[in-house]
Amino acid sequence: NAGVMQNPRHLVRRRGQEARLRCSPMKGHSHVYWYRQLPEEGLKFMVYLQKENIIDESGMPKERFSAEFPKEGPSILRIQQVVRGDSAAYFCASSPFTTGELFFGEGSRLTVL
Amino acid sequence: DQQVKQNSPSLSVQEGRISILNCDYTNSMFDYFLWYKKYPAEGPTFLISISSIKDKNEDGRFTVFLNKSAKHLSLHIVPSQPGDSAVYFCAASLLTQGGSEKLVFGKGTKLTVNP
Repeated sequence: NAGVMQNPRHLVRRRGQEARLRCSPMKGHSHVYWYRQLPEEGLKFMVYLQKENIIDESGMPKERFSAEFPKEGPSILRIQQVVRGDSAAYFCASSPFTTGELFFGEGSRLTVL
Repeated sequence: DQQVKQNSPSLSVQEGRISILNCDYTNSMFDYFLWYKKYPAEGPTFLISISSIKDKNEDGRFTVFLNKSAKHLSLHIVPSQPGDSAVYFCAASLLTQGGSEKLVFGKGTKLTVNP
């Protein structure tokens, strides 16, 4: 009964490179959320997806960031041309319903040099 | 525009005593509230929640109180144990027009329980 799986746990990129973070939700969960935690900050909502659909991306930066949750495979958070300010912990969460408790993964920590 | 505020970044209590973590919110549209606990290098784990139609919810050593008129909630842990040492996040749920839910988190309070 695996929980939410995120990989990689740690990712180091140089400025201008691309970062791809993957998230496999819990079995039976079709709702996926991405949150970002900057140092000394709380978790900030980025995007909410269901299979093949972006439901709410109001927290996503307008440029360089994209997310998908394909019919098969994990959800992907993609950051193009990373900058130092993208360094953060990115948490994925899943839920079996549109409301209720979210189950979080252990996070992916991105460091941009 | 911080809709959920945890004004105490840290709290230190003695083992066996009560820990009280506070949270204030500004958006009256929040329909329920949750507390998450987070250890270093781990993801947040759900602790307890309360619906906006209730004023108290209890689960073992953990009790959450909601004061809607003051837009304030608190988490009480009694008795506190060293294993409770973690960062506690207050979160509020907002149902969007599209029917999806969004959790808005506070910045967290780091609780240290001293043996």
